Parts: sequence; C-alpha cells; structure tokens
Amino acid sequence: DSGVTQTPKHLITATGQRVTLRCSPRSGDLSVYWYQQSLDQGLQFLIQYYNGEERAKGNILERFSAQQFPDLHSELNLSSLELGDSALYFCASSVSTGGIYEQYFGPGTRLTVT
Amino acid sequence: AQSVTQLGSHVSVSEGALVLLRCNYSSSVPPYLFWYVQYPNQGLQLLLKYTSAATLVKGINGFEAEFKKSETSFHLTKPSAHMSDAAEYFCGGGGADGLTFGKGTHLIIQP
Repeated sequence: DSGVTQTPKHLITATGQRVTLRCSPRSGDLSVYWYQQSLDQGLQFLIQYYNGEERAKGNILERFSAQQFPDLHSELNLSSLELGDSALYFCASSVSTGGIYEQYFGPGTRLTVT
Repeated sequence: AQSVTQLGSHVSVSEGALVLLRCNYSSSVPPYLFWYVQYPNQGLQLLLKYTSAATLVKGINGFEAEFKKSETSFHLTKPSAHMSDAAEYFCGGGGADGLTFGKGTHLIIQP
C-alpha cells in the first residue's frame, strides 16, 4: 500500500459526459501528479500540482483540468468524454517537487467511455 | 527535456535465468533515473532509483541497475528470474517537472 488513495476504482460513462477523479496523497506529500495509461499511448504525464499551485503540464487535453485543494487532495476533471479517453488514470504523490523525489502511485481509476 | 527509451516491449526469460531489461536516457544534465514495476491491476511501485550517489543501484526483490554515463544506459538486471517477477517494468527519468516514462517492457517468465 503506497498510501495514495484514488476514487472511484472503476468508472463507466457515456461519450459527452463529464467525470471527476479524486486523489488523496500520502500524508506529508505536497506534490500530486496525474498520469494516463492506455495501450496505445503508454504511460503519459498529464499535470502536476505542488502545494495547491499548478507546477507542470504534460500531454493534458484542454477538455481535462485538475486542481489541488488546501487539504492537498486533488481532482482531475474530464469533460466531453470521447471513446479514446478510456484508460487507467493514476495519481502519484511526492514529498516535494523535482525529479529527484520518488513518486508513490495510487491504485488507479479505470475509466471506460461507452 | 529528459527522455528515456526502453528497448523491447516484451522480454521472455526462463525461470532461474538472468533478467536484463534495457533503458537508455538522453539528457544534457545529470539525470535522476528510476525503475518502476507494475503488477497486473495494480499501480506502479518503485524498484530502485539513481541519484548520482553510486553507479550500481540495488533495489527491491533482488533487482539492480547500473548507471553508465558513457553508454547513457540504466539497464535493470536480476541474476535469477522468479515467476513472481512477471510484470510490466517502466524506466523513468526525473527532471524539474516530474517523471518521463519509457513505453514499458512486459517481462514474461517461462516455467
């Protein structure tokens, strides 16, 4: 158990809909990262927050957004969903920001868009 | 930007044989390199990390990796494969903005 929790574990929704994925980092970790894992794209970094502020952006679509709240939990919002958004979404946390700090991954949320 | 390349999307070895998973990195600055493992239906777990303290890095479950600057490589090895090692392995490079992962290598253990 990494100490990172993600809810829900599974999500099935229809095209055009909007969903919110939730992540609680390990106690004491200030950085939260979101990743998307799919068969064709592999594991892709989406976005990072550090202590409530957006820190870095990766291959995140404009239809997707995220935020980190004062209690440090984070939410990833996916809107106008398409079939291609079906993937496993991981949240990870680290104590600080920067590549030297190892990231602890949650179990993921499996999103299926029908 | 830091990038990593994993050679071989699938590697198959016999139980008890040497495991070698290849990773090459590109960077103009000293890298921070990681290997993560993903077991079926689970999140990623850190195996080991290189942060310039020592070129040979020992990780969990008997895995180790050697940083070779001249070859820009950070290959993962284990002397004797176990059935429980079957999983997806990701090499990652750490920069100022987080991790960049390779495409992953699926390790298959033949009995």
